[in-house]
Amino acid sequence: GNSVTQMEGPVTLSEEAFLTINCTYTATGYPSLFWYVQYPGEGLQLLLKATKADDKGSNKGFEATYRKETTSFHLEKGSVQVSDSAVYFCALSQAGTALIFGKGTTLSVSS
Amino acid sequence: DAGVIQSPRHEVTEMGQEVTLRCKPISGHNSLFWYRQTMMRGLELLIYFNNNVPIDDSGMPEDRFSAKMPNASFSTLKIQPSEPRDSAVYFCASRGASGSSYEQYFGPGTRLTVT
Repeated sequence: GNSVTQMEGPVTLSEEAFLTINCTYTATGYPSLFWYVQYPGEGLQLLLKATKADDKGSNKGFEATYRKETTSFHLEKGSVQVSDSAVYFCALSQAGTALIFGKGTTLSVSS
Repeated sequence: DAGVIQSPRHEVTEMGQEVTLRCKPISGHNSLFWYRQTMMRGLELLIYFNNNVPIDDSGMPEDRFSAKMPNASFSTLKIQPSEPRDSAVYFCASRGASGSSYEQYFGPGTRLTVT
């Protein structure tokens, strides 16, 4: 069945460091791919998305490119801020089904 | 737009009591999802509705859990009787019709503690 695997956390970085959170997926066909972010005590918010191969989703300085050849959707940001500290979830959805989430990666950024 | 609304935000109850969680999806959305989040199991889909009809309830843990969607603007998740292992954050999410790239919008969650 479909699944999402993302790197284990926590990820601890200093402010202005480069961020990569790896995400790979298993799915038949062409799923839509998402990154959601969860700040402490809050629900999940859509961060960015990509709906077809080679699409690049971007938002708030974060980027991720849909790579079908490597079945990956890695999240990157060139310079993280303390306010980016949160839990990040990679997810996929196919043919209108429910989202399938990875286990989440906790990011902690210190000043 | 008010977003997805959930109530209550926090619920503390004793084992054996009935618990009802409520959700109001975004107006115009036709799919609604209930998820449960725990440290051990992460985010799990419990059930989802399309046009008020349950489509997939395979994630509902057992008969103690039930969900209803009597109309397009309201859904409930009921646990009866509740047990300590039901303690978790329960999220409701909604989604627009196909063509919206399948993104879901989440409510703030209900934190349930069963003692």
